[in-house]
Amino acid sequence: ETGVTQTPRHLVMGMTNKKSLKCEQHLGHNAMYWYKQSAKKPLELMFVYNFKEQTENNSVPSRFSPECPNSSHLFLHLHTLQPEDSALYLCASSQGSPWGEAFFGQGTRLTVV
Amino acid sequence: QKEVEQNSGPLSVPEGAIASLNCTYSDRVSQSFFWYRQYSGKSPELIMSIYSNGDKEDGRFTAQLNKASQYVSLLIRDSQPSDSATYLCAVSKAVAGGGADGLTFGKGTHLIIQP
Repeated sequence: ETGVTQTPRHLVMGMTNKKSLKCEQHLGHNAMYWYKQSAKKPLELMFVYNFKEQTENNSVPSRFSPECPNSSHLFLHLHTLQPEDSALYLCASSQGSPWGEAFFGQGTRLTVV
Repeated sequence: QKEVEQNSGPLSVPEGAIASLNCTYSDRVSQSFFWYRQYSGKSPELIMSIYSNGDKEDGRFTAQLNKASQYVSLLIRDSQPSDSATYLCAVSKAVAGGGADGLTFGKGTHLIIQP
């Protein structure tokens, strides 16, 4: 266990559905991240939150909507996704300095049908 | 231009030998460098971090950093079959106010340790 917990572990959703991914960290970190991992591509940074404030959005389509209510919790709200959005979605947290090591949750395997 | 480059492999190494994994990065302001191990179907697991030029050793693992050459490497001594995995190189840079920058990853090197 890394101290970062993601739910659900697997999710199948239709293109018209709305769902949310949840991430919780028990490490006392102040930075949290969403990454996307697709086959044959490097891990892609989606969003960065520092001290609950979004500080980076890597040109992610608006059908992905992050929410960070406090420094321990992070959500990714999903709506009207496309089949190409099927991927492993990973949450991570770090101590929020350049030296902070990032720890990942187990990921959510998302399939859009 | 890719920001972090790794040879995708597979890299095949006999058990007990030294596995050498390499990574280059393009952004000169990168300050932090990490190696993650990822088993198939699992999430990345941090195994080494390095911040200054030179070598850093932790058990069977040694990370090497050369900022002038923009090069990071990972050596695994006495390789075991359980070391078979994909190894991801990641870099990050400082941001104003002391906040965190996200990691930029390479595609990873698939390492196979042959018994």
